[in-house]
Amino acid sequence: DTGVSQNPRHKITKRGQNVTFRCDPISEHNRLYWYRQTLGQGPEFLTYFQNEAQLEKSRLLSDRFSAERPKGSFSTLEIQRTEQGDSAMYLCASSPGGGSQHFGDGTRLSIL
Amino acid sequence: AQRVTQPEKLLSVFKGAPVELKCNYSYSGSPELFWYVQYSRQRLQLLLRHISRESIKGFTADLNKGETSFHLKKPFAQEEDSAMYYCALSGPSGGSNYKLTFGKGTLLTVNP
Repeated sequence: DTGVSQNPRHKITKRGQNVTFRCDPISEHNRLYWYRQTLGQGPEFLTYFQNEAQLEKSRLLSDRFSAERPKGSFSTLEIQRTEQGDSAMYLCASSPGGGSQHFGDGTRLSIL
Repeated sequence: AQRVTQPEKLLSVFKGAPVELKCNYSYSGSPELFWYVQYSRQRLQLLLRHISRESIKGFTADLNKGETSFHLKKPFAQEEDSAMYYCALSGPSGGSNYKLTFGKGTLLTVNP
């Protein structure tokens, strides 16, 4: 197992476009998390899934953001009508039950 | 509200010197505390979890509930310890609050 995998590694897009990121967790992990990290800050929680159920969303997750985990395996995070302020590193993590979270390499989003 | 404070953005020590990275937290109840580390060009990875009471790579951290602190210590720093260190907390193990709240991080540089 190569750990948590995120694609793409880097996404450059124009303001107003939609983007989608994918996260493949460690296969036996039932919990999956999304975080966002901006320069000089630690990761900030966005949302969390247990299997396919989205159990918590941060107020940071505006209406333009949506996350899914359709079969309790991989997850997608979509941002519609991107804005300059969306530029950040988007991190995915997974954990088994109450175990420690394992992070992916992240997807760096740059808005032109 | 849960909050993690790392007062030092940067910390520079010489090889062989003791190092202490400070972390203070705010949480209503008994949180679980973690230290994560990110080496250059690598993903965020777990270093220590307070309930494990382990020493990893010579690092230790003791949870002080009275001072609400979880400082990371190593008696003799090595050059390979140079990295970004993040303190984080979540709700108590076995509870329902799994999201991690991170501090802003401390960049440790160990000079030869």
